Amino acid sequence: AQSVTQLDSQVPVFEEAPVELRCNYSSSVSVYLFWYVQYPNQGLQLLLKYLSGSTLVKGINGFEAEFNKSQTSFHLRKPSVHISDTAEYFCAGGDYKLSFGAGTTVTVRA
Amino acid sequence: DTGVSQDPRHKITKRGQNVTFRCDPISEHNRLYWYRQTLGQGPEFLTYFQNEAQLEKSRLLSDRFSAERPKGSFSTLEIQRTEQGDSAMYLCASSPDIGYTFGSGTRLTVV
Repeated sequence: AQSVTQLDSQVPVFEEAPVELRCNYSSSVSVYLFWYVQYPNQGLQLLLKYLSGSTLVKGINGFEAEFNKSQTSFHLRKPSVHISDTAEYFCAGGDYKLSFGAGTTVTVRA
Repeated sequence: DTGVSQDPRHKITKRGQNVTFRCDPISEHNRLYWYRQTLGQGPEFLTYFQNEAQLEKSRLLSDRFSAERPKGSFSTLEIQRTEQGDSAMYLCASSPDIGYTFGSGTRLTVV
């Protein structure tokens, strides 16, 4: 079974600064990886997904992630954050059934 | 297509009562999932349907929990004899294959 680990529980960042959220995965089979964002009292919204092909995946809202097989990582990045990016971010892996990390709380400060 | 709809958004119930939640998936999606999310945690898989067939159930889904998808369209999740530990956000998702669309969830509070 695939599992994912999010290495940072909280990431404070200033507005317009870059941010990186770290995710490591473990799997012995096919690798499908996802990043979701969750705003308070909302469901999860898909930011981006890696199924195959190019290791650099671009998503919505200016986010991107890089699949690194040798380091078993799928880190999420954004070059310049906005106040509206304040949310909980979840890394997930799997095929029909997803395993989620514990989440990273991103707080963007002015 | 308005996405995945869940009803109700919030439910407060007394311990020992039964509750039922509804999920309406995206119409062309044949796969439907239920997850549970407790405070400060990521979602945990509960169960999965392909069309009307329930193909997998997590060990988290005790015998007090039952899920149905009678005609391969909407689904219901029922919790009988609720306990305080059942308080959580219950998320429904649907997909045509790999990758989900989530609903906004039903937040259950058992008092």
